[in-house]
Amino acid sequence: EVQLVESGGGLVQPGGSLRLSCAASGFTFSSHWMHWVRQTPGKGLVWLSRMNSDGISISYADSVKGRFTISRDNAKNTLFLQMNSLRAEDTGVYYCARRSYYMDVWGKGTTVTVSS
Amino acid sequence: DIQMTQSPSSVSASVGDRVTITCRASQGISGWLAWYQQKPGKAPKLLIYAASSLQSGVPSRFSGSGSGTEFTLTISSLQPEDFATYYCQQANSLPYTFGQGTKLEIK
Repeated sequence: EVQLVESGGGLVQPGGSLRLSCAASGFTFSSHWMHWVRQTPGKGLVWLSRMNSDGISISYADSVKGRFTISRDNAKNTLFLQMNSLRAEDTGVYYCARRSYYMDVWGKGTTVTVSS
Repeated sequence: DIQMTQSPSSVSASVGDRVTITCRASQGISGWLAWYQQKPGKAPKLLIYAASSLQSGVPSRFSGSGSGTEFTLTISSLQPEDFATYYCQQANSLPYTFGQGTKLEIK
């Protein structure tokens, strides 16, 4: 079964850091572009970042550029999102998703809450 | 950034009805558009990509059309499992952007 499972979310204070993971199974992870997408009640779905299959091509939304870093370990079939200098507006459900333009497989999401 | 605007924001319909949702882009995106369905507490599910291509496993009652700045998602005969929120997403240029969503409710 093709599957993505996010982990690493939790409660963090403003200015803090978290590292999210996305474990892939059931497909050749090393062949696929991957994304991170955030969902909040206020702003809906927001694309955050994407990385190509070999980790060379990386893009970020302006709202997270310089604070968040996407990476991957193809040997461990895992995608990461290192989140630093977290703000209240970073609160939400974080999804990882597969494919370059249209996201055909999504994880169930992990919740990040930024609050003091 | 390209802004995606969906209409209506919500719609009430009955099982068996035909429903159309519209998505407008703030600038031309050719056919670089996807539609997703999301149910409460679940991740989005890809329904349509490249404006009109049906994702594998998605029922044929779902269809998409459009090009440039105006796109539509049509559900030809609503089934009980179709009541959900629908989102469009442009993939023409980064940052990818989503519409605000259309909530499809049971009348």
